[in-house]
Amino acid sequence: GAGVSQSPRYKVAKRGQDVALRCDPISGHVSLFWYQQALGQGPEFLTYFQNEAQLDKSGLPSDRFFAERPEGSVSTLKIQRTQQEDSAVYLCATRGTGVTTNEKLFFGSGTQLSVL
Amino acid sequence: KQEVTQIPAALSVPEGENLVLNCSFTDSAIYNLQWFRQDPGKGLTSLLLIQSSQREQTSGRLNASLDKSSGRSTLYIAASQPGDSATYLCAVGGNTPLVFGKGTRLSVIA
Repeated sequence: GAGVSQSPRYKVAKRGQDVALRCDPISGHVSLFWYQQALGQGPEFLTYFQNEAQLDKSGLPSDRFFAERPEGSVSTLKIQRTQQEDSAVYLCATRGTGVTTNEKLFFGSGTQLSVL
Repeated sequence: KQEVTQIPAALSVPEGENLVLNCSFTDSAIYNLQWFRQDPGKGLTSLLLIQSSQREQTSGRLNASLDKSSGRSTLYIAASQPGDSATYLCAVGGNTPLVFGKGTRLSVIA
């Protein structure tokens, strides 16, 4: 696709509900990142995939957060038993076709999650 | 742990003014530094990427500099326009995930 696509654009959940956020990367992009951005803050790293392999999940705040990328393309971030503190914008970003480090990161528009 | 600080947090300038946004980072062992723009309710758009071996990068009215040894970068915007109003984020990294500052919220008044 032309850019990184995220869905849904907005999600309202009741506390305790499970949610699933989707990211469609730029075609052929190997690296995929999830970030969490609270209001007025910069994005905070959650997890990183290289193809289908989850190489770093050190930023996931609790075991209620789970991410997958089973075929090395589309990724899903799942949050179980949502809490109010999970309210944030969840951003997906992808990077080039290689593993070089000096490539720009391309971001989707994000999913704004509100937990009531 | 890498920490990135951006000053000022917010800036309001009249149209046409040249301006400088500042970014500092605590660990100088970086591969690159990126400047992003974020419009309200939108994702991030990459503006400039400076590799650790470079001193600056230019794109149109934007110029970013990097002084790795002192842990500083600046984003210079020439002849600012109302369309430049947005939040500008600085991020450092490379092989490790990017670490972001909190951003500078810029308003350019017509």
